[in-house]
Amino acid sequence: DAEITQSPRHKITETGRQVTLACHQTWNHNNMFWYRQDLGHGLRLIHYSYGVQDTNKGEVSDGYSVSRSNTEDLPLTLESAASSQTSVYFCASSDPGPADTQYFGPGTRLTVL
Amino acid sequence: EDKVVQSPLSLVVHEGDTVTLNCSYEVTNFRSLLWYKQEKKAPTFLFMLTSSGIEKKSGRLSSILDKKELFSILNITATQTGDSAIYLCAVRYTGNQFYFGTGTSLTVIP
Repeated sequence: DAEITQSPRHKITETGRQVTLACHQTWNHNNMFWYRQDLGHGLRLIHYSYGVQDTNKGEVSDGYSVSRSNTEDLPLTLESAASSQTSVYFCASSDPGPADTQYFGPGTRLTVL
Repeated sequence: EDKVVQSPLSLVVHEGDTVTLNCSYEVTNFRSLLWYKQEKKAPTFLFMLTSSGIEKKSGRLSSILDKKELFSILNITATQTGDSAIYLCAVRYTGNQFYFGTGTSLTVIP
């Protein structure tokens, strides 16, 4: 069965370190998204990609970057982790067209000390 | 500023009750509205609504969209403890971007 996976599931890091969160999907979807979820804010879009070599900034992109070298993967990098980036991060994918469903990965809980 | 607002923020009911969750939106270039259920893990898809007045139904859950008044409701009848979750409303706009509300936390007491 097709799926979307994230790794690691839990990560503790220190302020200032670079961190990369992995996202891998086997749906063969062109569209991939990264969100963070915090109490009181719901899901907020960090970056998104509509295909290989395409990346776009979302609502809360400062301090984050992504790259899309193939269809399956969209890694999220925190260049210099900050305590404000402690959150739960969800990756999602969807296919363009009338079926708007986004499929979410299981999430990564990141703690920045 | 585009926004999606859900109400109430939280709700506690007894098994068997019927609940109505609300989602209002102000989003430029609206394309569709989606409902998700989140139970301590990733959100899972419930409904997608694109047309006003057409009810989508799945078991005890149903949803309808009003594009004139810019809102949607999610109804759950005969609630069960397994319905306890956060219910998220999202609006698709301008291509393939999604704007999420903060969610309604539903707790169903036996």
